[in-house]
Amino acid sequence: DVKVTQSSRYLVKRTGEKVFLECVQDMDHENMFWYRQDPGLGLRLIYFSYDVKMKEKGDIPEGYSVSREKKERFSLILESASTNQTSMYLCASSFPPVGTEAFFGQGTRLTVV
Amino acid sequence: EDKVVQSPLSLVVHEGDTVTLNCSYEVTNFRSLLWYKQEKKAPTFLFMLTSSGIEKKSGRLSSILDKKELFSILNITATQTGDSAVYLCAVVSGTYKYIFGTGTRLKVLA
Repeated sequence: DVKVTQSSRYLVKRTGEKVFLECVQDMDHENMFWYRQDPGLGLRLIYFSYDVKMKEKGDIPEGYSVSREKKERFSLILESASTNQTSMYLCASSFPPVGTEAFFGQGTRLTVV
Repeated sequence: EDKVVQSPLSLVVHEGDTVTLNCSYEVTNFRSLLWYKQEKKAPTFLFMLTSSGIEKKSGRLSSILDKKELFSILNITATQTGDSAVYLCAVVSGTYKYIFGTGTRLKVLA
């Protein structure tokens, strides 16, 4: 079974803190994604990585950065957390070519206070 | 701008009913359409559709794609309370973009 594991299910952070969300997949997938999910807005792509050290901005990259130093691990970084970044964050991975099934982690519900 | 629209937004049915969920899209460089089921955790994969008119089936669930009219439907027959979930449609466009709709929230009453 493919496993995509996110480091935390729930996180509460203070405004201005630097926040790290970690994602690890065990299926040797080249592609990894970070989405945020908000009511009425669906899933929106923050960043995508197609290889180690490679990244592409998604639709809403502002306020976020990512790191992919190893193939299995993709980290999302909130440089200075703000209340409008309170959301559910979902990591996903897939084989290339894109278009095949993407596997999701269980999600991290982040609350910024 | 690429977009995926799902309808209805929410639906309440009784066990045993049949439901049809809709997904329409406007995207450049279509590659595939995916359906996911999301309960209170990770979305789980249901179907991937790439060709028009070929129905995919898995138990009581089935789905079909119409690439001419740019939509897909997901059918669930003989619904059960365990089918209660948010159903997500995603269209894959270009080199890496999975474009998601906002989902249809289905509630099945016993």
